[in-house]
Amino acid sequence: DTEVTQTPKHLVMGMTNKKSLKCEQHMGHRAMYWYKQKAKKPPELMFVYSYEKLSINESVPSRFSPECPNSSLLNLHLHALQPEDSALYLCASSQDWSETQYFGPGTRLLVL
Amino acid sequence: RKEVEQDPGPFNVPEGATVAFNCTYSNSASQSFFWYRQDCRKEPKLLMSVYSSGNEDGRFTAQLNRASQYISLLIRDSKLSDSATYLCVVNLNTGGFKTIFGAGTRLFVKA
Repeated sequence: DTEVTQTPKHLVMGMTNKKSLKCEQHMGHRAMYWYKQKAKKPPELMFVYSYEKLSINESVPSRFSPECPNSSLLNLHLHALQPEDSALYLCASSQDWSETQYFGPGTRLLVL
Repeated sequence: RKEVEQDPGPFNVPEGATVAFNCTYSNSASQSFFWYRQDCRKEPKLLMSVYSSGNEDGRFTAQLNRASQYISLLIRDSKLSDSATYLCVVNLNTGGFKTIFGAGTRLFVKA
């Protein structure tokens, strides 16, 4: 089973809202990732968690706040987003940071 | 210079054709390499890991040349279902873990 699940599939939010994206994997992977993908562009790495610790933050604005409650779950908390934050947000996991990453289906976010 | 560069697309090929994609990376700290495919409005899916010894999976062959910092993907006997965007991916550790995607090469296979 190489499944990574993400909820919700779609999200529309206003600039003053607070929402959270969720990601789950049960493959025993120790690295989990958040990516942002705009249309016709490749995914851009936002955050990496390795063994439940934040290993890298690619200078992402503080309105995005990641959380790793346990080794199977990864959240992305959203607050005061801007319309330019509208994108596909992808979660991925891998056995270890340099190994193959498996992607979830993504959450398509629209900020109004 | 971009850290990972791919051939500009799109590639338009007939069914049955052989097509080759190239990718170069600039950081010698790069440690692992992959090809992913991404269909429209879907998530990236692993196509192949890439090793110096080369690896083959059916119609697909991937190769890594560390000396030239170059990765390739060869698709033989193209099928309509091969139409997708192909993404070159590099993992590196420069004091922190980093995954970099190339911009992707769009492939259209036509009947």
